[in-house]
Formats: sequence, C-alpha cells, structure tokens
Amino acid sequence: DTGVSQNPRHKITKRGQNVTFRCDPISEHNRLYWYRQTLGQGPEFLTYFQNEAQLEKSRLLSDRFSAERPKGSFSTLEIQRTEQGDSAMYLCASSPPGTDTQYFGPGTRLTVL
Amino acid sequence: AQRVTQPEKLLSVFKGAPVELKCNYSYSGSPELFWYVQYSRQRLQLLLRHISRESIKGFTADLNKGETSFHLKKPFAQEEDSAMYYCALSHYTGGFKTIFGAGTRLFVKA
Repeated sequence: DTGVSQNPRHKITKRGQNVTFRCDPISEHNRLYWYRQTLGQGPEFLTYFQNEAQLEKSRLLSDRFSAERPKGSFSTLEIQRTEQGDSAMYLCASSPPGTDTQYFGPGTRLTVL
Repeated sequence: AQRVTQPEKLLSVFKGAPVELKCNYSYSGSPELFWYVQYSRQRLQLLLRHISRESIKGFTADLNKGETSFHLKKPFAQEEDSAMYYCALSHYTGGFKTIFGAGTRLFVKA
C-alpha cells in the first residue's frame, strides 16, 4: 500500500478551461476529503465523502466545483471555467472507519494562466 | 464561526531549547483537535491528537477548554523537528469537517 495517490501531480491550464483531478484513497478507507491550499495558508476544507455519499460541502465551493466518488473508491474533483484564483494545491485525504485521522496525498498543483 | 488561529508564522529556536507552538480555536461544541506536520518534501501527516493524550517524537499538546487553546510543546528541540506545523479542528455535522490553521514554520538552529 503506497498511501493516498493523486493525479496529475501538476496541471497548467488556461483560464476558462475545465480540469479534473483524481484521488485514489488507501484501500478500505471509507472517508475521503478534498482541500485547497494556497501559499502561506493551511489546507482549506472543500468537501467530504463517506463511501459514495457526499456529506459535507464547503460554502466556499462555487458551482464551478464538483466532486464525485462513484462506488465509494476513487474520487474526482472537477473545476469548470477555471479562473486565476483557482491556482492552488489541491489535497486529498482519506480516513479508515472508526477514526478521523486523515492520511494525505501528495497533492495536485494547479496553475491557471 | 469555527476558526483555528496560529499566531506565529515562523518560530526559530536553538537545538536543545524548549519549543511551544501556539494554537487557539473558536468552536462552541466539543471539537476534536489535532496537530499535523509537514516535513520538507513530504506530505502532510498526523503528529498527534488530543484524545490520545500521547507523546509523539517528544511532542505533547494539552487541550485547555477554558482558554480554547491546544498548544504544542517539546522540552528539547531537535534539528529534525524543523517543519511546518498545522493545528486542526474536526467536528461532526452529519459529515466530518476539518478546519486548519495557517501553520507555523519551526526552524531549529544547530
């Protein structure tokens, strides 16, 4: 088990384009989280899944952001019509049943030109 | 609103000196509190959580509900402790939500 993985690790896109990131949690972890982190700040909560159900979503998440976790395994985070303000590191984390200790992935760094 | 405040962006101490990284939180209920650490070129990882009441790598943290604080302490800092430290608060509202502080960079000088 190599831990939580995220792909791609880096993404450069032009403003207005759509991007999709993938997160593969540790197997048998039923909880999955997405965060956004900008320079000089801590991770900012975006959304939370328990199995395939999206149970919590930040009010900061605009309609341009959507996340899915089909079949309760991997998850995708899509950003539509990207803006320069979306440039950030996007982190994924997962937790096993019975604990809220989170195991983080390496992140996907998004740059919007 | 829930909030986690780490007042120091950077903390620099000499090796062997005591270190205290401050964390204050704002939450009306009973939160779960954590310290996460990120070493250079590594991913974010859990250091300790308040309900465990354990010492990890010589670090301890005590939850003070009266002062709404969860400061991280170590009596004798080591160079390998140099890293970014984040205080975090989790609470359950039908789903788990975690709020992180902005982080404190600890630099331990030889």
